[in-house]
Amino acid sequence: RKEVEQDPGPFNVPEGATVAFNCTYSNSASQSFFWYRQDCRKEPKLLMSVYSSGNEDGRFTAQLNRASQYISLLIRDSKLSDSATYLCVVNGRGGSYIPTFGRGTSLIVHP
Amino acid sequence: EPEVTQTPSHQVTQMGQEVILRCVPISNHLYFYWYRQILGQKVEFLVSFYNNEISEKSEIFDDQFSVERPDGSNFTLKIRSTKLEDSAMYFCASSESPRSSYEQYFGPGTRLTVT
Repeated sequence: RKEVEQDPGPFNVPEGATVAFNCTYSNSASQSFFWYRQDCRKEPKLLMSVYSSGNEDGRFTAQLNRASQYISLLIRDSKLSDSATYLCVVNGRGGSYIPTFGRGTSLIVHP
Repeated sequence: EPEVTQTPSHQVTQMGQEVILRCVPISNHLYFYWYRQILGQKVEFLVSFYNNEISEKSEIFDDQFSVERPDGSNFTLKIRSTKLEDSAMYFCASSESPRSSYEQYFGPGTRLTVT
């Protein structure tokens, strides 16, 4: 089983739509969770951390389910500028701070 | 806004040659990282560095790789004898703390092409 697994997509949605991505991780000792955004041929940029109680930042909501070992990202009212690849990142394997990246989910928002 | 910078943006080299990729982390950050991303694949951790020492490294970071902080601002990744499979985007990152909850800031990357 891959350490961090994501549906590669692409998710093709119209502007204004709500879209959700999931990410599963295999190591139950994982401690920290993040969503990064990566535009084509650019560097990853932190979108948001994911907290146990769930958290929201504007149109973005992230949730963590430790029991089922997955995190989710919900984007409401999609904008054209949301088109990107969304990377799930899981950190902390038994004291290690090595982050493990998923391959990413591609989102295309069209007019 | 402070940012991580990397040079060169694109490096083309022949197989077997040595390359040095350079990074200038954010000035008040103390923890530095190198990652690589082969085209179409996921970002992979190579090495973390603190206080002039390697903190952690992955199985990818073998004897062909080395890192150095030669002065107060630069952080370099050296590949001694490049192979075709080293062709990738190499990202440098820095953070205030190694704690897994702290954000890492990524540089724009160096695209390495080995021919």
